[in-house]
Amino acid sequence: DAKTTQPNSMESNEEEPVHLPCNHSTISGTDYIHWYRQLPSQGPEYVIHGLTSNVNNRMASLAIAEDRKSSTLILHRATLRDAAVYYCILEEYGNKLVFGAGTILRVKS
Amino acid sequence: DVKVTQSSRYLVKRTGEKVFLECVQDMDHENMFWYRQDPGLGLRLIYFSYDVKMKEKGDIPEGYSVSREKKERFSLILESASTNQTSMYLCASSPRQGPLLGVFFGSGTQLSVL
Repeated sequence: DAKTTQPNSMESNEEEPVHLPCNHSTISGTDYIHWYRQLPSQGPEYVIHGLTSNVNNRMASLAIAEDRKSSTLILHRATLRDAAVYYCILEEYGNKLVFGAGTILRVKS
Repeated sequence: DVKVTQSSRYLVKRTGEKVFLECVQDMDHENMFWYRQDPGLGLRLIYFSYDVKMKEKGDIPEGYSVSREKKERFSLILESASTNQTSMYLCASSPRQGPLLGVFFGSGTQLSVL
């Protein structure tokens, strides 16, 4: 099974950019990279996904390494509401998402 | 707005009881999933379904079964609840095309088995 590795936790100051790294050295050529986040007391919610090229949406940017063995989720200006667990996930065969432990992001005011 | 609704936010049951966790989605999605979430272990997939009356085992199906009689409803069944099934249970749904169009989660059911 394809797996991802993320730091257990990270801390950021409010209004500053945050770079959340993810390693996925066993990724296959057709695996999409998905990012979800889970706010306290809620189910996970979609953030962004990509295959090879960098991606931007209103929530975040996703930077994917050329060899696709790592990626970085970028929050351009962290707010207190961005404090959550962030999951980097490889889409597996059969439309399943297999979650790891994620990165706990703490945002300081 | 897209919605996945889980019938209970908190549930307390006794060991040996049969427990039903209900999930309903209003997006006409083909795929539905049940996960459990435990501290330090992240989300683990229990069962999933690609269509009515279809089911597939996930990574930790032991002690659980599921039912999907209607497209919008996916039930998780604990035949005989045990204390090690105390957990947060999350239901999710996605379109047939899969996660590229998003996977939508409910708010979860915190189940305590005493």
